[in-house]
Amino acid sequence: DTGVSQNPRHKITKRGQNVTFRCDPISEHNRLYWYRQTLGQGPEFLTYFQNEAQLEKSRLLSDRFSAERPKGSFSTLEIQRTEQGDSAMYLCASSVTLTVPDKNIQYFGAGTRLSVL
Amino acid sequence: QKEVEQNSGPLSVPEGAIASLNCTYSDRGSQSFFWYRQYSGKSPELIMFIYSNGDKEDGRFTAQLNKASQYVSLLIRDSQPSDSATYLCAVNPDNYGQNFVFGPGTRLSVLP
Repeated sequence: DTGVSQNPRHKITKRGQNVTFRCDPISEHNRLYWYRQTLGQGPEFLTYFQNEAQLEKSRLLSDRFSAERPKGSFSTLEIQRTEQGDSAMYLCASSVTLTVPDKNIQYFGAGTRLSVL
Repeated sequence: QKEVEQNSGPLSVPEGAIASLNCTYSDRGSQSFFWYRQYSGKSPELIMFIYSNGDKEDGRFTAQLNKASQYVSLLIRDSQPSDSATYLCAVNPDNYGQNFVFGPGTRLSVLP
């Protein structure tokens, strides 16, 4: 395993449909993050897992968004009833918990580009 | 609200020159600072991180941190056309997690 893997790379959907993305982190990394990035902007934090526990969620993560990491390995991000405003690149990153001090270096996957028509 | 600011650019420099990229942040308690490079349509790639005041050098790259001024910069020496990309500044609010706060990025163009 050489990096963070995300599938699919591209997703085109119609407004109102549900979509699910998958992220496989670097194998020894216990932390997993989801970000959303729109054109010309930096990534915006959505949510974060440590092992299987979802520890933090951004206010950007509306009720239509849900993320899981059931076994502390891969994670899924689901968007229900997609809207055109959901069109963006969805990035996954992973990191390993270091002891002292925690540098929290996050390594990113290639992303899933979502287009909502 | 924690904010990270960068000039969006584009910043244009001739090949072989020094490119200077700047970043300011609002959360005075921030602990770790990262520079990522992002080519168009690609994912962010870590260039450097820094957590102590002063300079940190890695090859052609130097990160500079001044916590009192809440300022972090990235210098790229001997700029190459392959350095043309968007450079993202990311700030970790503390040393124990969690989410990074990213700036909007500065687009760098190195002209041959």
